[in-house]
Amino acid sequence: SQQGEEDPQALSIQEGENATMNCSYKTSINNLQWYRQNSGRGLVHLILIRSNEREKHSGRLRVTLDTSKKSSSLLITASRAADTASYFCATDASNTGKLIFGQGTTLQVKP
Amino acid sequence: GAVVSQHPSRVICKSGTSVKIECRSLDFQATTMFWYRQFPKQSLMLMATSNEGSKATYEQGVEKDKFLINHASLTLSTLTVTSAHPEDSSFYICSAQPRAGVWGNMNTEAFFGQGTRLTVV
Repeated sequence: SQQGEEDPQALSIQEGENATMNCSYKTSINNLQWYRQNSGRGLVHLILIRSNEREKHSGRLRVTLDTSKKSSSLLITASRAADTASYFCATDASNTGKLIFGQGTTLQVKP
Repeated sequence: GAVVSQHPSRVICKSGTSVKIECRSLDFQATTMFWYRQFPKQSLMLMATSNEGSKATYEQGVEKDKFLINHASLTLSTLTVTSAHPEDSSFYICSAQPRAGVWGNMNTEAFFGQGTRLTVV
C-alpha cells in the first residue's frame, strides 16, 4: 500500500502552544481520519472529515481538508502534556473502512 | 460507539510456533475486517482484508501462507501467524466498520481493536 506523507515527522512544543500537523495523500478519497496513538498502545480515533467537507472542529482539534491539493491538516490548540503522542492521518478511498495510514507525526508537549 | 475486541493483547512465543489472534466486533456485524501491522517507530501497514465467508485479500508483499486469516462469522476474524520468527515480532491490530445500513451512514470511522504485541523469541 502506498502511504501518505505527514510532516513534520517530529514536533516538540511547550504546553499551551498550538501544534499543526500536515498530511498529504495520493489518491481520491471518501474520507480522511486522524488518530492518536500513545507509545506502544492502540489507536484513538480523533476526527473524521468527509471529502465534501473542508473544515471540522472537535474541542481543541481543528481539521482541514483540501481535496484539490490532496492534503489535510490537524491543529491542536492550547496543547497539554497529555497530548504527547503519535498522530496519524488515514484515508479511506473505498468507504469500506480500509485505511491507508500516513507516516505519522510524533508530538512532544513539554510541561 | 461500536466496540472491537482483540485478544490477546500480548503474546510471547517461541520461534517456529504459531500464534492466533482474534478480532471480534462486539455490538455490530462486520462483513469486512482489516488487519494491520506496525513495527516499532513506524506507521501502520495494511496486511489484508478479511472477508466473511470468503478468502482474505492480501496486500502486496504479505505472505498469505504465513498469515492465515479466517473470517468464519460476521463478528469474528482470526489472524494466525504460522511458523513465527523473530522478524514477525510486531504490533498487530484489527479494525472493522459496521455494515451498510446498520448505522445509517456509510461514511463512518473504522473501529480498532486494542492491538496485539507479538514477541517471537
